[in-house]
Amino acid sequence: SYELTQPPSLSVSPGQKASITCSGDRLGTKDVCWYQHKPGQSPVLVIYGDFKRPSGIPERFSGSNSGNTATLTISGTQPMDEADYYCQSWDSNYAYVFGTGTKVTVL
Amino acid sequence: QVQLVQSGAELGKPGASVKVSCQASGYTFTGYYLHWVRQAPGQGLEWVGWINPNGGVTKYAQKFEGSVTMTRDTSNNTAYLELSSLRSDDTAVYFCARGPNHYFYMDVWGKGTTVTVSS
Repeated sequence: SYELTQPPSLSVSPGQKASITCSGDRLGTKDVCWYQHKPGQSPVLVIYGDFKRPSGIPERFSGSNSGNTATLTISGTQPMDEADYYCQSWDSNYAYVFGTGTKVTVL
Repeated sequence: QVQLVQSGAELGKPGASVKVSCQASGYTFTGYYLHWVRQAPGQGLEWVGWINPNGGVTKYAQKFEGSVTMTRDTSNNTAYLELSSLRSDDTAVYFCARGPNHYFYMDVWGKGTTVTVSS
């Protein structure tokens, strides 16, 4: 089955850049999206189609996807960005696949 | 506004079944796929499957084939997820989420329904 691998955790200082990677076989040939998930809340779509931002998502969130790796970048990270982040794509059977998730701590 | 309202928490016994609902409002129900995603305690997000409310076609993650059934009622814009032969590891929060047809993302999510499996 298709797997998407993310680093388990990432620490970043307020105002600094956070880069979260998502690795999968030939991932650059697929569309990737990213979700922010805070405890007790519903996930929120922050990037779709590799780099597109939904309405209402701050410009500090950006995405890229090439080769075997997609990256979510948070520029000027704010304390409110502390959350779990998941990448998501699809496999050869058009089943959806989530990444393993990355816990971002802002301190 | 676009909204997905899920039913309340469920408690089921091992081997039994539970059914969770997700009522859509603020958009054309048959114009978007409706996905189900779960998160077990301390675990990540896991895609369960989708239903196309326009026609009722379903696609399930291989792991859930035979243990879940997705249905819909277009007369009240509601999708359902039935979990059968419950096991303790089915204990999780189950989210419904809207997904544009032919695009691989989910843009609107329900608040989640907690399903607890316990005797």
